[in-house]
Amino acid sequence: SQKIEQNSEALNIQEGKTATLTCNYTNYSPAYLQWYRQDPGRGPVFLLLIRENEKEKRKERLKVTFDTTLKQSLFHITASQPADSATYLCAIATSGTYKYIFGTGTRLKVLA
Amino acid sequence: DTAVSQTPKYLVTQMGNDKSIKCEQNLGHDTMYWYKQDSKKFLKIMFSYNNKELIINETVPNRFSPKSPDKAHLNLHINSLELGDSAVYFCASSPGGKPQHFGDGTRLSIL
Repeated sequence: SQKIEQNSEALNIQEGKTATLTCNYTNYSPAYLQWYRQDPGRGPVFLLLIRENEKEKRKERLKVTFDTTLKQSLFHITASQPADSATYLCAIATSGTYKYIFGTGTRLKVLA
Repeated sequence: DTAVSQTPKYLVTQMGNDKSIKCEQNLGHDTMYWYKQDSKKFLKIMFSYNNKELIINETVPNRFSPKSPDKAHLNLHINSLELGDSAVYFCASSPGGKPQHFGDGTRLSIL
């Protein structure tokens, strides 16, 4: 069956360290993979998109990698800050579709 | 200026009632979506419209009926509400299949 899995447990890290979140998928051939941030009581906010033919994407302190062989994406936040505390969702879409399937999300807490 | 706005923000109602949630986007996007987020925070797509045409219709009870009067609006009507319908419903829009802009959700509670 098709699945998208993210670290189900919350991730606590110390301020200034690099946070690494994982998104694994099975039985999909995604053309795109996106990462969103969701704060309590708010809707998800888009952060980064990476295509199947791209290995890595960066935006300021954020970095996403995409390994279609391992069927995995890693999301890194360098020099993490307490303001980065939120739930992070990955979402994949196959080519030719507008349908994005979301992972279960990982709650990140950055400790001051 | 809110990009994707949903009303109401909170909806508390009795089982068996019929209710509607409205969504409007001012981004000029041609695609709009409805998602359901359950108590475990799992975000699941329900419907999508592209230029007022239904393009995604997931396995959703037919008590749920979306309506898109124009490209900027997508409403969700729910008949005969059940306890299991309690969730947060998110509207989103995107230009084609590109990254989505979400509203802040409608929290539906069934008593």
